[in-house]
Amino acid sequence: EPEVTQTPSHQVTQMGQEVILRCVPISNHLYFYWYRQILGQKVEFLVSFYNNEISEKSEIFDDQFSVERPDGSNFTLKIRSTKLEDSAMYFCASRRSLSPQHFGDGTRLSIL
Amino acid sequence: DQQVKQNSPSLSVQEGRISILNCDYTNSMFDYFLWYKKYPAEGPTFLISISSIKDKNEDGRFTVFLNKSAKHLSLHIVPSQPGDSAVYFCAASGQEGIQGAQKLVFGQGTRLTINP
Repeated sequence: EPEVTQTPSHQVTQMGQEVILRCVPISNHLYFYWYRQILGQKVEFLVSFYNNEISEKSEIFDDQFSVERPDGSNFTLKIRSTKLEDSAMYFCASRRSLSPQHFGDGTRLSIL
Repeated sequence: DQQVKQNSPSLSVQEGRISILNCDYTNSMFDYFLWYKKYPAEGPTFLISISSIKDKNEDGRFTVFLNKSAKHLSLHIVPSQPGDSAVYFCAASGQEGIQGAQKLVFGQGTRLTINP
C-alpha cells in the first residue's frame, strides 16, 4: 500500500539554524499538509497546500516557515531560523479529493 | 483551542470485550469526522470516518457513531484485540471549501490498552 514518506526521522539542529523537513506524498494525491505535535500536546495543523499554493495556514505558520513543492514528488517544510519551541514531531499528510488524510511517520525535530 | 475534546486520557479493556472511545466537539461547522490510531514512533493511521449526513458507519470491527445534536461521536471496537492497544485520536474538519484545505482539528487522544 502506498505510503507518505518523511525524512529524516530525527533532526537535531542548533537554535537559529535553518532546517528543511522533507516529505514524499502518495503519488496520486493532490492535497498536502504539515502538522506538528509538541511533546504532551495535541497534533496541530500548520499549513495546507493545493495546486502549488498555500490554501490555509495557522497562526503558528509565521514568516519563519515556508513550504515548497520543488518537483512532482517532494513537499518540504523549511524553518528559517529555528527556536527552542520549534522542537516537536512534524507530520506530513496527503490526500486525494474527498478522501481522508494519510500521514507519514514524522520527523522528530530537536532544537538545541 | 478546545474545539475537539477527548476527555478520557486512557482506557483499559479486556481482550474480546467492547472498547468505546468518546469524542466531543464544539464547532457546528464541522461536518466530517475521523478516527486515527497511533503507535509509538509512527504517524497517525486512518481508521474510519463519518460524514455529518450519517449517524453510523461500520467497517469490520470498527463502528463510529455520530450524534450531531449532542456534538458527540464515539468509536466502538468489538471484539477488542491486543493489537488494538494504541493511542486513538478523534479529528474533525469542515467542508472541502474552494481550495480544499479541509484542515484537521485533533483531540488530545485516548490511550487504549487491551489486556489479555
